[in-house]
Amino acid sequence: DSGVTQTPKHLITATGQRVTLRCSPRSGDLSVYWYQQSLDQGLQFLIQYYNGEERAKGNILERFSAQQFPDLHSELNLSSLELGDSALYFCASSPGLAAFTGELFFGEGSRLTVL
Amino acid sequence: AQKITQTQPGMFVQEKEAVTLDCTYDTSDPSYGLFWYKQPSSGEMIFLIYQGSYDQQNATEGRYSLNFQKARKSANLVISASQLGDSAMYFCAMRGTLSSGSARQLTFGSGTQLTVLP
Repeated sequence: DSGVTQTPKHLITATGQRVTLRCSPRSGDLSVYWYQQSLDQGLQFLIQYYNGEERAKGNILERFSAQQFPDLHSELNLSSLELGDSALYFCASSPGLAAFTGELFFGEGSRLTVL
Repeated sequence: AQKITQTQPGMFVQEKEAVTLDCTYDTSDPSYGLFWYKQPSSGEMIFLIYQGSYDQQNATEGRYSLNFQKARKSANLVISASQLGDSAMYFCAMRGTLSSGSARQLTFGSGTQLTVLP
């Protein structure tokens, strides 16, 4: 158990809909990262938050948005869903910003299926 | 920019044998970390081992060791005495440093699917 909690574990929805994925980082971790894992794109970095502020953006679509709340949990919002958005979405956390020596701790992922 | 290359989409190994999973990387960061993660069929990402770019010795964690060759920019994972439970997807990843001094996010390779045969 990594200590990172993601909900829901599985989600099935229709094209055009909007969903929210939730992540609670490990206790004490201030950085939250979102990754998308799809069969054709592999593990793609989406976005990073640190202590409530956005710190880095990767290949995140404009239809997607995220935020980190004062209690440090984070939400990833996916809207106008398309079939190609079907993927496993991971949240990961780490204590801070400066240590590239530290691994990221991953949640179990939220598997999104868009029909 | 950082790039991780894993050239072996799939590997097979006999139970109790050793296996090497290849990973090469490219980065302009002066300092960086290299990581291996395991993803079993259940989907979770499990951290296995870490190697720092400045570490003189290769990292080891139980049956896992990392064969780090900095000049060749390679960070191969060696699994000794393979077990059936080692069957999984294995990802090589790296983290460097931004000019601001902050750590980058992890960049992952495409992964190697390892199958351990009984």
